[in-house]
Amino acid sequence: NAGVTQTPKFRVLKTGQSMTLLCAQDMNHEYMYWYRQDPGMGLRLIHYSVGEGTTAKGEVPDGYNVSRLKKQNFLLGLESAAPSQTSVYFCASSYGVGSSYEQYFGPGTRLTVT
Amino acid sequence: GENVEQHPSTLSVQEGDSAVIKCTYSDSASNYFPWYKQELGKGPQLIIDIRSNVGEKKDQRIAVTLNKTAKHFSLHITETQPEDSAVYFCAASRNDYKLSFGAGTTVTVRA
Repeated sequence: NAGVTQTPKFRVLKTGQSMTLLCAQDMNHEYMYWYRQDPGMGLRLIHYSVGEGTTAKGEVPDGYNVSRLKKQNFLLGLESAAPSQTSVYFCASSYGVGSSYEQYFGPGTRLTVT
Repeated sequence: GENVEQHPSTLSVQEGDSAVIKCTYSDSASNYFPWYKQELGKGPQLIIDIRSNVGEKKDQRIAVTLNKTAKHFSLHITETQPEDSAVYFCAASRNDYKLSFGAGTTVTVRA
């Protein structure tokens, strides 16, 4: 049982390049989330999904897109990376409403945009 | 949207002493308040949570208190140990899954 895994662990991009971060969970969770963590700002929700095929905007969605084609995977895309997107990105998952509210986090992806 | 403020940003305590972290929130409709612990190089992990119909909750050396009238909640760690050194985040939510996090508190337990 691997829990929540994220690929890649580290990445360096040049301004304007694109990339996709992959999140996978093996706990059969309905809900999945993408956060970014910046010094002194805690974790901020980028996008989230309440089930396969659904996505919704969080607190800071601009510059990012997501897809949830399979229940176990949640992809975060950066179409044209900017230095302001330098951050540590965390994926999380949880059971649906009516069950445990605990969010399980992955180990993070450290992204640097130069 | 919800705004969560967390204090202090850093906290250094002697091993065996208590640590207290305080958070305030702005949305009076928030009803779920979890606390997460993040160790170096890892993702956050839930350590305790409380709902708005409860004033206090304990789990061994950890306790959380909630004052809905004042819109603030606190984490109390007693008999601190070296393994308590980490970054702690409070959060608030009105629907259980969209969490608004505080900025975090770095706790250092001195041996």
